[in-house]
Amino acid sequence: GAVVSQHPSRVICKSGTSVKIECRSLDFQATTMFWYRQFPKQSLMLMATSNEGSKATYEQGVEKDKFLINHASLTLSTLTVTSAHPEDSSFYICSAQGRLGTEAFFGQGTRLTVV
Amino acid sequence: AQRVTQPEKLLSVFKGAPVELKCNYSYSGSPELFWYVQYSRQRLQLLLRHISRESIKGFTADLNKGETSFHLKKPFAQEEDSAMYYCALSGNAGNMLTFGGGTRLMVKP
Repeated sequence: GAVVSQHPSRVICKSGTSVKIECRSLDFQATTMFWYRQFPKQSLMLMATSNEGSKATYEQGVEKDKFLINHASLTLSTLTVTSAHPEDSSFYICSAQGRLGTEAFFGQGTRLTVV
Repeated sequence: AQRVTQPEKLLSVFKGAPVELKCNYSYSGSPELFWYVQYSRQRLQLLLRHISRESIKGFTADLNKGETSFHLKKPFAQEEDSAMYYCALSGNAGNMLTFGGGTRLMVKP
C-alpha cells in the first residue's frame, strides 16, 4: 500500500510553546488529509479534514486557532498545536487519501507530551 | 449523526478457536463500513471494507443493515491475529471516518 510518513513520532514540549507535526504522502498525491486524536484507552476522534489549497474543516469542539492545519501541497499537511498545555498531550494521527472513494492510509502517529 | 460502537474492549481466545469482533453502527443514510487493524508497534491499516466482500487473512465481515451491524469473524484464530481492531464508518461527507472504540484481540497459544 501507499506510504504516509508522520514526523516526529514523539515530542515533548514545555507548556506554552508550539509544536508542529508533519504528515507526508510519499508515493501518491493526497487530495485530502485527515487529522485524528486519540486519548488513552479511547477511540480515534476526527479533528479536522483538509483539502489541498483550501482551509481545513474542523469538527465541532475543535479549536481552529489552537490546532492550525496547513495543507499547502498535495503531499504535505501540517498540524501545529499552538500554546500547548498538558491537556493537549495525546496521540495524533494523520491519514491521507488520493481520489475520493479510495483508501485512506495512515501515518504512524505522533505522541505529544506537554510538560 | 454517525456513531460506531464496539462493545468489547478486550477479546481473548485460544489459537484455533473462532472469533467474532462485534461492531454496531448508527447512520441515517447508506454507510460504507471498514475494519482497520493495528498490530503492535505498527500503524493503522485497512483490513477490509464491506463493498469489497472479500476475505483478508481469513477474516470476513458482512454488513447487516437490519441489525446495523458489521461484525468481523474468523473461524480459526491465529496468534498473529493478536492486535487492536477498529470498526469504522464513512458516510457521505468527504469520506471522513468515524471510528469505534476498538477491540483488543488476544490469541493465546
